[in-house]
Amino acid sequence: AQSVTQLGSHVSVSEGALVLLRCNYSSSVPPYLFWYVQYPNQGLQLLLKYTSAATLVKGINGFEAEFKKSETSFHLTKPSAHMSDAAEYFCAVSVFGNEKLTFGTGTRLTIIP
Amino acid sequence: NAGVTQTPKFQVLKTGQSMTLQCAQDMNHNSMYWYRQDPGMGLRLIYYSASEGTTDKGEVPNGYNVSRLNKREFSLRLESAAPSQTSVYFCASSGLGSGSTDTQYFGPGTRLTVL
Repeated sequence: AQSVTQLGSHVSVSEGALVLLRCNYSSSVPPYLFWYVQYPNQGLQLLLKYTSAATLVKGINGFEAEFKKSETSFHLTKPSAHMSDAAEYFCAVSVFGNEKLTFGTGTRLTIIP
Repeated sequence: NAGVTQTPKFQVLKTGQSMTLQCAQDMNHNSMYWYRQDPGMGLRLIYYSASEGTTDKGEVPNGYNVSRLNKREFSLRLESAAPSQTSVYFCASSGLGSGSTDTQYFGPGTRLTVL
């Protein structure tokens, strides 16, 4: 069975600073990896996904993530934080032949003015 | 397109009461899902349906039943609500492309409190 671990349930960064949200996965077969964002009182929306093509994946709102097989990681980054980035972020994994997603426990991102 | 819609948005139940959460999608997706979201636990899959007429258990199915009424609609029923079922419930749908890599689209959620 596959799983993801998100290190840090809360992350605070200053406006304009680098955003780094960590995700490590566990899977016995090649994984597909996703980052979703949830704004307050809303559902989740897809930021980006890795589907075994390019290892550096660019998403919406300036976010990107890099798949590193040797480190079993898929960390989410953004060079310069904006106040509108304040939200909860979820990493998720699926594998070929099983479309069900397994989610991490989430990281709440706070932006300090 | 409305995407994924859920009703109701909020609900308060007493222990032992029953209710059905409704979900509909207008994207012609094959697969639909029900999740619950609890603080510090992320989203956990309750049930899912890979196609009309099929349903399967997820990680936390106890206390719930589902019905895939047609391709558009997927309902979640609590037969006898318990305080442990206090949560935010999300419906999602996917499935026009390559299955495992399909994006799941989420509804706005139903906030349920069981007293």
